[in-house]
Amino acid sequence: AQSVTQLDSQVPVFEEAPVELRCNYSSSVSVYLFWYVQYPNQGLQLLLKYLSGSTLVESINGFEAEFNKSQTSFHLRKPSVHISDTAEYFCAVSRGSGSARQLTFGSGTQLTVLP
Amino acid sequence: ETGVTQSPTHLIKTRGQQVTLRCSSQSGHNTVSWYQQALGQGPQFIFQYYREEENGRGNFPPRFSGLQFPNYSSELNVNALELDDSALYLCASRTEGGNTIYFGEGSWLTVV
Repeated sequence: AQSVTQLDSQVPVFEEAPVELRCNYSSSVSVYLFWYVQYPNQGLQLLLKYLSGSTLVESINGFEAEFNKSQTSFHLRKPSVHISDTAEYFCAVSRGSGSARQLTFGSGTQLTVLP
Repeated sequence: ETGVTQSPTHLIKTRGQQVTLRCSSQSGHNTVSWYQQALGQGPQFIFQYYREEENGRGNFPPRFSGLQFPNYSSELNVNALELDDSALYLCASRTEGGNTIYFGEGSWLTVV
């Protein structure tokens, strides 16, 4: 069985400041890791994913996440946030063999960027 | 744009009624799954269909059922609605062997 813990339910940060959203997982098998973003009243959009290879993965809008196997973490970071980054962020894990199976999600972190 | 469309976007039902939610996936996405997202929580896996057969189920009772059709569309049916069924229901799809799951915008269900 897999589980995901997002340590912070809410993270307020000022515009242009750096941010880190924390995610830890537990699994007895290898995993795929994902970050999804959900804007108000919308569905989930894939932000970035780790499948294999380089442990540092990046998104097109400046976010990055690093897979740390020894600490079972997949924290999301951005060096300078914008107002438009305000959203709910979900970390998710699936079994990492063959094609992705069902996702197990964390409870989410609400990122609020303040002017 | 994920290529996954859901309908209706919002609906209100009365306790004890039945509801059908619909999803249309991209061509070639022959694996579809459904998730329930209660207010303030992360999505919870309901079940998955592959080639029109259920091949995975989360911790949901049998009154949650589904169908998948050859044209990459699918349905989620919920019988005997309860107040706690009020949630956002998300459809997600992927290709066979794919390792990325794409979500639709969701259907908001309110049970009163």
